[in-house]
Amino acid sequence: NAGVTQTPKFQVLKTGQSMTLQCAQDMNHNSMYWYRQDPGMGLRLIYYSASEGTTDKGEVPNGYNVSRLNKREFSLRLESAAPSQTSVYFCASSEPTTQYFGPGTRLTVL
Amino acid sequence: KQEVTQIPAALSVPEGENLVLNCSFTDSAIYNLQWFRQDPGKGLTSLLLIQSSQREQTSGRLNASLDKSSGRSTLYIAASQPGDSATYLCAVRGTYKYIFGTGTRLKVLA
Repeated sequence: NAGVTQTPKFQVLKTGQSMTLQCAQDMNHNSMYWYRQDPGMGLRLIYYSASEGTTDKGEVPNGYNVSRLNKREFSLRLESAAPSQTSVYFCASSEPTTQYFGPGTRLTVL
Repeated sequence: KQEVTQIPAALSVPEGENLVLNCSFTDSAIYNLQWFRQDPGKGLTSLLLIQSSQREQTSGRLNASLDKSSGRSTLYIAASQPGDSATYLCAVRGTYKYIFGTGTRLKVLA
């Protein structure tokens, strides 16, 4: 069981470039989440997917899009990266109780 | 709108001390509350989960309590060790979404 995996681990982008962060879980969880973590701000929810085929906005969805490709995979896309999107991005999945996190992607936008 | 606050933001204690970390939330309509540990540069690891109907949970040297009516949870760490040094975050769960506090950064001095 790999749990929740994320790729890439690190990424540097220039302003205006696009990229997709990948997330996969092998625990057969229905719910998946994308968070960003900034110093002093805690984790803030970007988007979540309560089940395959559904996605909903969280606290800070602007500038992002998501795709729940199947039950295992939930990707996060930055269409036109901005320096304000420099952050650490975490993917998570949950059963009705516990939430499990991936190791994170450290993204820098220059 | 649910808001989660953790006090103090940082704490240094000598090895062996018992300590309490605090988490407060504004909306008592929660499904559960979860405490996480985060080591520098790493993802989040679940420590304890308390369902809304429960008052406390214990795991080894850790004990978490929940008082929904007052919107408070505490994480008690007994006989602290240098290996306990990390950031501790609490999160409350609504229907699908988790709201995180900003964390308490703990340093246990040898």
